[in-house]
Amino acid sequence: DTAVSQTPKYLVTQMGNDKSIKCEQNLGHDTMYWYKQDSKKFLKIMFSYNNKELIINETVPNRFSPKSPDKAHLNLHINSLELGDSAVYFCASSRVSAGMGNEQFFGPGTRLTVL
Amino acid sequence: AQKITQTQPGMFVQEKEAVTLDCTYDTSDQSYGLFWYKQPSSGEMIFLIYQGSYDEQNATEGRYSLNFQKARKSANLVISASQLGDSAMYFCAMREGRSSASKIIFGSGTRLSIRP
Repeated sequence: DTAVSQTPKYLVTQMGNDKSIKCEQNLGHDTMYWYKQDSKKFLKIMFSYNNKELIINETVPNRFSPKSPDKAHLNLHINSLELGDSAVYFCASSRVSAGMGNEQFFGPGTRLTVL
Repeated sequence: AQKITQTQPGMFVQEKEAVTLDCTYDTSDQSYGLFWYKQPSSGEMIFLIYQGSYDEQNATEGRYSLNFQKARKSANLVISASQLGDSAMYFCAMREGRSSASKIIFGSGTRLSIRP
């Protein structure tokens, strides 16, 4: 009964390639997020979608494009991968209608390594 | 400016002792929420506890409690009777403003190691 799932778990690719990471949640949540965790464990939000609408778009290179086909899915596509994109990418979801205390449930993470 | 500050990059604690992980925050909003998450070596992020800025009582969840001192802008996590399984990274985080959809900002984390 995985709540928030991501595929793939590991992704190793060459510089310049294009790749996608998929995320699905079965919690019935209305909001989904993408985070990037760097090698120093610093966790930073990239994007957030509420009911399929983009509501948070941090200063992220436009090589990164999120897509939310429905409320349960949020995919992340990355064009022209660079060495600095190597990180762990976490998907998360929450029910913002529950109020300020709505905690985010995280997926297991995708470790992206760009060679 | 740092919104969330965790000054302890690493801590070692003896099993069964209580441990306090420090967190200070910076905001001019009256309405905000504070969270603690745990990240074990396996990598997943686990929600532990939440404190709202208007909550008068300190939040508690099992062995976790949040020592909320609003005037000092601190939200320390207290783990009672620590266990080996508590060894992990711990992140303090804050959501500002009135919107429950506003972003959560994370601190840099504290790596807690429990000694047997």
